Order: sequence, then C-alpha cells, then structure tokens
Amino acid sequence: QLQLQESGPGLVKPSETLSLTCTVSGGSISVNSYQWDWIRQPPGKGLEWIGSIHYSGNTNYNPSLKSRVTISVDMPKNQFSLRLNSVTAADTAVFYCAGRTGSYVWGQGILVTVSS
Amino acid sequence: EIVLTQSPDFQSVTPKEKVTITCRASQSIGSSLHWYQQKPDQSPRLLIKYASQSFSGVPSRFSGSGSGTDFTLTINSLEAEDAATYYCHQSSSFPITFGQGTRLEIK
Repeated sequence: QLQLQESGPGLVKPSETLSLTCTVSGGSISVNSYQWDWIRQPPGKGLEWIGSIHYSGNTNYNPSLKSRVTISVDMPKNQFSLRLNSVTAADTAVFYCAGRTGSYVWGQGILVTVSS
Repeated sequence: EIVLTQSPDFQSVTPKEKVTITCRASQSIGSSLHWYQQKPDQSPRLLIKYASQSFSGVPSRFSGSGSGTDFTLTINSLEAEDAATYYCHQSSSFPITFGQGTRLEIK
C-alpha cells in the first residue's frame, strides 16, 4: 500500500526558502501512471494545489505560485521535493505531498510556519 | 482554470438525515471529479473517485453521481462520525483545483 511522508523544517524565516521532501514507500516513484503533487492548506482554510511532477521530470505548477516554486524528483531515494522561494507569513500552511492517478493518496501533512 | 463551486458552504444536520452536497465545475470535466472528507488535524480521506466509484473501506452510505459540470455527494443516514469538511477535486486539467469545502455539523 502506497504511503507518503513529508519531512523538513517546521519554521522558516520570511524571505527565505521553504524546502520539504516527500518519501514514498510501498511503491516506486517511477510508476508511469502516477503524478507526485504538493498541496497546501493555510490554517482554517481550503486546499490549494502547488504543483506536480512525473518521474520523467515533467512538471506543472500553479500559475499563482509558478515564479517561486520548484519541484524535483530523486528516483534512487524514492523521494520528491518542494522548494518555495521568498516566503512570507501568507505561506504559513500545512503542506501535503500526495500521489495522484486521478484521485489522491495523501501524506499526513507537515505544518510550516513562516515567522522571524 | 476550472473553478469548482460547492454548495452549501455549511450545513447543520441531525443523525439519520440524508445529506446532499453539490459541486459545479466552470467547464466540463467528464468524470474526473473526486470527493474527500477531512476532519480536524487529519489529511483528507478519499471517499469517491471518478464521480461515482466507491473507494475501498468507505461506508456504503457515501455515494457520488454526476458528469460534465454537475456532481453530487450523497450521505445516506448520517452518523455522528460524519461531522467533517468535504471537498471536491478535479483532475481533468491543470491547474488542479479543489472546491472551497462544505462543513457538515451534526446537531
């Protein structure tokens, strides 16, 4: 059964770069039918898709975040990662990694707070 | 961008009631519409995939219908444990989008 686990710092300073990693277990990240996504949820608010990557390296990003986001994949480690540049307090959220073949398999989420 | 609009935003219901939540897409998405349940401090949980396909382990009181632009999540005989926020999600085209959520309160 596919499982995903986010990791990374829970606190990031304004203007710095948020970096998170998602480790996939119970399956290979190089399955052709899967896309690997990052989704965020600000406290008390709804879900916002950040972007997707296929193991081939093909990426798609939310236009509202595209200038600040990079998603990459590390096949030997069965991981994919998120970098979000120039963060502000508005980027404070629970960040989820998820595998998608249509519907999502979700990680447990990690709260990242942007504060000095 | 495909906008998903859920209604209602909030509903207060009594146990054993039947609940209907709708999700309307701003353009046709075929059957590429999925429903999730989210409880506080938990990840979303998949209930229905591709508009009407039940997901393994989900109680049979949850069902979905629709295609194109109009979709419905139905909960028959509501139980106290169904108190949660429900989201629809479209995987038809990028950017991936979600509905704004429907919060269900049990009286």
